[in-house]
Amino acid sequence: SQTIHQWPATLVQPVGSPLSLECTVEGTSNPNLYWYRQAAGRGLQLLFYSVGIGQISSEVPQNLSASRPQDRQFILSSKKLLLSDSGFYLCAWRRAGVADTQYFGPGTRLTVL
Amino acid sequence: AQTVTQSQPEMSVQEAETVTLSCTYDTSESNYYLFWYKQPPSRQMILVIRQEAYKQQNATENRFSVNFQKAAKSFSLKISDSQLGDTAMYFCAFMRPSSGGKLIFGQGTELSVKP
Repeated sequence: SQTIHQWPATLVQPVGSPLSLECTVEGTSNPNLYWYRQAAGRGLQLLFYSVGIGQISSEVPQNLSASRPQDRQFILSSKKLLLSDSGFYLCAWRRAGVADTQYFGPGTRLTVL
Repeated sequence: AQTVTQSQPEMSVQEAETVTLSCTYDTSESNYYLFWYKQPPSRQMILVIRQEAYKQQNATENRFSVNFQKAAKSFSLKISDSQLGDTAMYFCAFMRPSSGGKLIFGQGTELSVKP
């Protein structure tokens, strides 16, 4: 069966510091991968998605970037965090090439002070 | 652009009763997928049910069922025999197959099941 992991679970960072959130998927190959942000417990906003190694599509221009160095690894980064980057970050995966369901990781709660 | 609207920010229901959550969407596509996700206090997003637009039959999963009205662009979720564990945020989501699998979410409905 497939499993998706995210870490860290919780992170408190000062404004201006760098960020690296990691997402890995087990039990599948060549998944489509997604990063979402959820603010204030409401709707999710898609930030980035990837259909393969090194292939990143950005949905919202912002202070963040994403990378996919390995097939089942997806990283969300920032060089300098802003207060507005605070939120709950969710990674998701789905099988490539089919109109399939997305499955979500446990999420990372980021607080920027 | 597609949009998803959940007009009920909060709802409550007594344990063992039935509740219906509303969702409407806007699209010019004919082929798409609709989902209901549940987010309990742990904040893990869990798939509840999915509907393919080309299927006329409404999807069901145990106590959960949908009323899919394609012409009206409506996709409501019915929870029967509500249980305390159903307390959560519920999100309606839309996906266009040709969009790389991107999900467009509504703003959510917070459901409280009361004993």
